[in-house]
Formats: sequence, structure tokens, C-alpha cells
Amino acid sequence: DAGVTQSPTHLIKTRGQHVTLRCSPISGHKSVSWYQQVLGQGPQFIFQYYEKEERGRGNFPDRFSARQFPNYSSELNVNALLLGDSALYLCASSLGQGLGEQYFGPGTRLTVT
Amino acid sequence: GENVEQHPSTLSVQEGDSAVIKCTYSDSASNYFPWYKQELGKRPQLIIDIRSNVGEKKDQRIAVTLNKTAKHFSLHITETQPEDSAVYFCAAPQEYAAGNKLTFGGGTRVLVKP
Repeated sequence: DAGVTQSPTHLIKTRGQHVTLRCSPISGHKSVSWYQQVLGQGPQFIFQYYEKEERGRGNFPDRFSARQFPNYSSELNVNALLLGDSALYLCASSLGQGLGEQYFGPGTRLTVT
Repeated sequence: GENVEQHPSTLSVQEGDSAVIKCTYSDSASNYFPWYKQELGKRPQLIIDIRSNVGEKKDQRIAVTLNKTAKHFSLHITETQPEDSAVYFCAAPQEYAAGNKLTFGGGTRVLVKP
């Protein structure tokens, strides 16, 4: 079975631009969560989606949004990029609507210049 | 909201010795406590977890203990090997009708010296 996949692997954007990151969960997993990991820190929770509905939201501005599709894949969108948005964006999938036993994808490294 | 504190931030041990990392959390409603290992440039990997209805769980050389009263849980690695060198993160979830949230500790960089 394939694990969690994310695309793209790396991305370079300019301040003020918009970015879309994509995630495909493990087959059979219905929950996708998004995290931002700044170098040297632990992952920061951004969103959780379960069955296409938002089930949790971290302390991030409204510039961050996400959605989940009928096939349980997910997109994370960030508008009006700031230098501080440069980070590794991780997606994790889990079976149910809780936050237990999450499996992470390889991440997307976003650099904002 | 949940606050998770992790100590120490760095830990250097001799190969074969034990390593212990401790996390404290603030939300008494949290009932699931995972530990992740992240090697340089790689994704976090779930290595062990514990639910609040047990006090200890072991998996080969790693174990996790939970003290619900004191609101802390610890990762124990015995007979450390060089491949145990990595950053370890604890986490604690909040699951409410209003929404879920998972809070990670700041991480512990473990270096196992051969």
C-alpha cells in the first residue's frame, strides 16, 4: 500500500503570491490533517478534515484555508504569502475522525522570497 | 488550549545507555499520547503511543509511561543505538465537539554516540 503522498516536493514563491499544496491519504483513511513545521520546531496544527468537513482548526490566520475532496484527498491554500510562511508543510492521514494514529507524508518545502 | 512542554531539548547518550524524554500537558481531557521520531530531512514517524486507560506500553526497546494525575508522559529508549539519533516529538490531542486540535512538544534532539 502507498503511504501518504504530497505534491509538490519543493516550491518557491514570492511574497504576496498564493500557493496550493496537495495531499493524498493512505487508502481507506478518511481524515487528513495539515501541519506547518518551521525549522527546529515541532509541527504546528493547521487543520483537520474528516469526511470533507473541517473538524479542527489551529491558530492560523484566515489566509490559510483547506478542503477535502470526495476521494479524501486534500488541498491546503495559502493566500498573500509572507516570508514567515516559509516552512515544511506536512499532511497526515488517519482512519477515523479523531486525531489518533496519524501517518505523515513527506511534506512540501515552501520557500517564500 | 492545550500546552505541551517537552524536556530536555537535547540529549546526548553513549551507545547502549538509556534515554528518557518527558512531556507534560495541560488539558486533563487529553486521552491519547503519541511519540514521533523525525530523522533529518524526513517525515515524522509514529513510533509508539499510549491511551489514557493504561499506564505503560512497551515495544521492543522503547516504552511509554503515562501519569494522568500528574499530567505527564515519558518515552524510554533502552540499549540505545546510533540509529536512534533523531528528533523526538510528543503530542497531545484535544477532541471536542467544537473541533479537534493536536499540539506537539518542542522536540528533543537525541544524539547516540558510538
